[in-house]
Amino acid sequence: GEDVEQSLFLSVREGDSSVINCTYTDSSSTYLYWYKQEPGAGLQLLTYIFSNMDMKQDQRLTVLLNKKDKHLSLRIADTQTGDSAIYFCAESSTGGYNKLIFGAGTRLAVHP
Amino acid sequence: DTEVTQTPKHLVMGMTNKKSLKCEQHMGHRAMYWYKQKAKKPPELMFVYSYEKLSINESVPSRFSPECPNSSLLNLHLHALQPEDSALYLCASRQAGGQYNEQFFGPGTRLTVL
Repeated sequence: GEDVEQSLFLSVREGDSSVINCTYTDSSSTYLYWYKQEPGAGLQLLTYIFSNMDMKQDQRLTVLLNKKDKHLSLRIADTQTGDSAIYFCAESSTGGYNKLIFGAGTRLAVHP
Repeated sequence: DTEVTQTPKHLVMGMTNKKSLKCEQHMGHRAMYWYKQKAKKPPELMFVYSYEKLSINESVPSRFSPECPNSSLLNLHLHALQPEDSALYLCASRQAGGQYNEQFFGPGTRLTVL
């Protein structure tokens, strides 16, 4: 079945790098996503990676994909207080309609 | 306009009430979604509409009744809800077809059932 797992909490100092990890089970997922949710808000797509890629960089964000281990990570460089939020990784299930299966979410706390 | 709007922002209802949640987008997206998000949990898919037809119902209880009256609008009608239905209800939309098309999420309606 489909399952996505993440560690629940990460605390970093402002200016450091943050690394949020995720494991997934559906090896047929074509795309994997990282969403950000701030308190009381909806979800914002941060970035995504196609399953035939190993790495994708987008400004401060770097996504690494290890397809063999079904491991996805999101690195945020120079973490700022505005990055404090919950980060969800998600995979698209097979079967069309882009049904998203989300991990439990990692709460990132950035402190001075 | 790359926005999905949801109304109301907050809703408090009793177990005998009937209410509706509304979602609107003007991006020309033909796939629209309802998700339910309990506190400290990830969103869980409830329904998917594709070209105004219900395509996925994730075994949602019949006290939740979705409706897609046109390509821009998605409603969720609520009747005889239970306190455990209290949650954030998120709407999303995307271009239909294709393997990758970003889902755009609305800000959600926070529902409290008394």
